[in-house]
Amino acid sequence: QSVLTQPPSASGTPGQRVTISCSGRSSNIGTNTVNWYQQLPGTAPKLLIYSHNQRPSGVPDRFSGSRSGTSASLAISGLQSEDEATYHCAAWDDSLKGWVFGGGTMLTVV
Amino acid sequence: EVQLVQSGAEVKKPGESLKISCKGSGDTSTNYWIAWVRQMPGKGLEWMGIIYPGDSDTRYSPSLQGQVTISADKSIRTAYLQWTSLRASDTSMYYCAMTRNVGSGWPFEYWGQGTLVTVSS
Repeated sequence: QSVLTQPPSASGTPGQRVTISCSGRSSNIGTNTVNWYQQLPGTAPKLLIYSHNQRPSGVPDRFSGSRSGTSASLAISGLQSEDEATYHCAAWDDSLKGWVFGGGTMLTVV
Repeated sequence: EVQLVQSGAEVKKPGESLKISCKGSGDTSTNYWIAWVRQMPGKGLEWMGIIYPGDSDTRYSPSLQGQVTISADKSIRTAYLQWTSLRASDTSMYYCAMTRNVGSGWPFEYWGQGTLVTVSS
């Protein structure tokens, strides 16, 4: 069982806006920055969003992140077929003294 | 840009030992830490531990402490994950990932391609 809680699946149609939630507690999301990783089928994870809402070079601005209290969200606007992937949230946990992840949300573009 | 290249897939029997590797290349001149993250079949990511190759400072996830050993050889920019006695439950994909520091605010910027470890009798 993952420390952070994500819905196992999400879906949307091309052009739509979808959001993926990530719920934690005060020792992780409530205190520390949240990062998001995109894992395309059969590949390694890739950093998508860091420090709640910052994008590494090359990540389209269709992807955005936010945090409120002990929850975080990833939003994808203008959904494209190539966005089909599993999205993982992560944060440092002060109690465990390590990084914790969500269980991952598999996004399907129908 | 940094690249992390991991050793190839392994098939082992329960009780056997194993050491997998992760070699850094490219712009690794800046200080960095190398973490190991596992992904069991059909599951999410789980942080296992991390090492600073510069001085071998190592931290482990409390849930995995004692089950694996993380080491590094800074002269060849390589980190290792080692088991002395594998179990079927160690069957998983293992990723190495680079971060610039331990703690809040430091994401895993680069990832290796993964090493699949299968443990079966």
